[in-house]
Amino acid sequence: EAGVVQSPRYKIIEKKQPVAFWCNPISGHNTLYWYLQNLGQGPELLIRYENEEAVDDSQLPKDRFSAERLKGVDSTLKIQPAELGDSAVYLCASSFSGGPADTQYFGPGTRLTVL
Amino acid sequence: RKEVEQDPGPFNVPEGATVAFNCTYSNSASQSFFWYRQDCRKEPKLLMSVYSSGNEDGRFTAQLNRASQYISLLIRDSKLSDSATYLCVVNGRAGNMLTFGGGTRLMVKP
Repeated sequence: EAGVVQSPRYKIIEKKQPVAFWCNPISGHNTLYWYLQNLGQGPELLIRYENEEAVDDSQLPKDRFSAERLKGVDSTLKIQPAELGDSAVYLCASSFSGGPADTQYFGPGTRLTVL
Repeated sequence: RKEVEQDPGPFNVPEGATVAFNCTYSNSASQSFFWYRQDCRKEPKLLMSVYSSGNEDGRFTAQLNRASQYISLLIRDSKLSDSATYLCVVNGRAGNMLTFGGGTRLMVKP
């Protein structure tokens, strides 16, 4: 069974440019998460989707970040414009039902470098 | 204060050693607890869930102390392949909202 797929794996852009990340969750997983991970730190949740509905986006910097999950499957996370401090790894994860004990499966992440 | 705190390490141990990691969490209403493993430049992967009664999986033992809001992971007979960062994870909010600690780095040496 395929795992969580993310693309691109690496992205280098100049500040003020836009960037988008794509995620395809494990088939049948209703819940999708986007995390940000800085070097030497644990992942931090940005947004969580239950099917196509964003149920928690309190940590998403809405002035420059946006996300969507059309049709409740694939998701896209966008940053516009990117800032130097956005350099990090952006991880997508999915789980079957979103329950408190449900295992989250992570994709390989997109490593963003903003110059 | 961070919601989930861990000693960042690194813990440098020889092969065969026993090593223990600790983690504290601030939300007393937390429901679920996990240890994830993250290899360098890889994604986190679930190592084991942590139950109130404690649980063991081969060389790995996890303990939970709700009164002290404390979680531990014990690794016996360390292998070179155990070298990784171990993330303490707590589900403390509505829904499956995981809060990760900063991770503890383990380096097992020959």
